Amino acid sequence: EDKVVQSPLSLVVHEGDTVTLNCSYEVTNFRSLLWYKQEKKAPTFLFMLTSSGIEKKSGRLSSILDKKELFSILNITATQTGDSAVYLCAPWRDSGAGSYQLTFGKGTKLSVIP
Amino acid sequence: SQTIHQWPATLVQPVGSPLSLECTVEGTSNPNLYWYRQAAGRGLQLLFYSVGIGQISSEVPQNLSASRPQDRQFILSSKKLLLSDSGFYLCAWGTGTGGYEQYFGPGTRLTVT
Repeated sequence: EDKVVQSPLSLVVHEGDTVTLNCSYEVTNFRSLLWYKQEKKAPTFLFMLTSSGIEKKSGRLSSILDKKELFSILNITATQTGDSAVYLCAPWRDSGAGSYQLTFGKGTKLSVIP
Repeated sequence: SQTIHQWPATLVQPVGSPLSLECTVEGTSNPNLYWYRQAAGRGLQLLFYSVGIGQISSEVPQNLSASRPQDRQFILSSKKLLLSDSGFYLCAWGTGTGGYEQYFGPGTRLTVT
């Protein structure tokens, strides 16, 4: 059975801190992995990672994938209160016959204190 | 640019009543469409997905059904709601041959009383 484990489940930091969120996965026929940020409503897309060892960056956020060890990390530097959210990781798997499905982790709840 | 709409935004329904949630996508053709549910304290669970008109695949046996009557329209339905159907329902779309970006609609918060 496919499995996605995110850690920590929750995290409280002060503004300006740097955080690392972890995602380990076991999915059949892995294709790529997505990271999302979910505030009060729908998840918003952050990154898609397909290749190992290639860091993707967007402002203070960056992410990298290790397909050999089956994990990904999301880093946030110089955190701000606006970074407070649940961060979700979701690997794609090829379930055959041209269909592809995301399996979501339960998320890491990040709270940034002023 | 592509946009995805869902309505209603919130819904309170009694047990045993029917349900119809609608999702439409603009700015793209032949998208793959998905319905997810996020229950309190749980992760996003894929309910249905569709790769084309009239093509629906179900991930989890349940009280719900889905239909895709038009290319960019995806409907989630139930004939009789259960308390356990309460949750946050999200529609999403994506294109490509797999391992691609997927974008979510604003969601519908359903409370069954």
